Amino acid sequence: AQTVTQSQPEMSVQEAETVTLSCTYDTSENNYYLFWYKQPPSRQMILVIRQEAYKQQNATENRFSVNFQKAAKSFSLKISDSQLGDTAMYFCAFMKWVGSNTDKLIFGTGTRLQVFP
Amino acid sequence: DAGITQSPRYKITETGRQVTLMCHQTWSHSYMFWYRQDLGHGLRLIYYSAAADITDKGEVPDGYVVSRSKTENFPLTLESATRSQTSVYFCASSARREETQYFGPGTRLLVL
Repeated sequence: AQTVTQSQPEMSVQEAETVTLSCTYDTSENNYYLFWYKQPPSRQMILVIRQEAYKQQNATENRFSVNFQKAAKSFSLKISDSQLGDTAMYFCAFMKWVGSNTDKLIFGTGTRLQVFP
Repeated sequence: DAGITQSPRYKITETGRQVTLMCHQTWSHSYMFWYRQDLGHGLRLIYYSAAADITDKGEVPDGYVVSRSKTENFPLTLESATRSQTSVYFCASSARREETQYFGPGTRLLVL
C-alpha cells in the first residue's frame, strides 16, 4: 500500500523569504503522479503543482517549485518570495498512474504554513 | 465559469437522519470523487465514479451511498447519520483518472 508522510505539522516563514515543505512517500510503483494541494482558511482545496514520475525535470509554477527525488521517494515543495496569502495547510498527495483498481489520491496529513509580515 | 459546487455548505443534523450532500460540476469531467477530511487523517476517499452509472468504493465507504445518473451530478447520501460522520466533505472531479482533481469548496457536516 502506498503511504505519504509529511513530517512537519507546522512551519512558519517571514514574508518574502523562502520555505521548503517536506514530503516522502512509499510505493513499489514506477509510474505515478505527485501533487501539492493548498487549503487556505476558506477550506477549498487548490492544486498548487503536479509532477509526473516519469519526468526528470522538476515542476515549477511561478513561485512554487518542487524537488523530486524519485530514488529517495521525496517530493518537497519550495515556496519562494512567500506572501501572506500563502498561509494555508499544504497537502502532499500521490496517485498511481495506470493499472490501478482505485486510482485514488493518497494524502499526507498536511503541513500548516504561517507566513508572517 | 462555475466549476464545481457543493451544497449545502453547512449542515447540522441528528443521529439517525438521512442526509444528502450535493455535488455539481460544469466541466463534463468523467471522474468524480467524494472525500472526507478529519483531523489527523488528512483526506480519505469515500466513493468515486468513473462515469455516469459507474461507481466504486474508496477507503471509507461504510454508511454512505452514492449515485450518478448524470455526468454533472454526484450526490452523497448518509442513510442513517452517526456522530462519527461529523466531518468536512469534499467533492472533486477530473477529466481522466490520471488527471488533476479539482475540488469543490466543501460541506461542513455536524451530526448531533
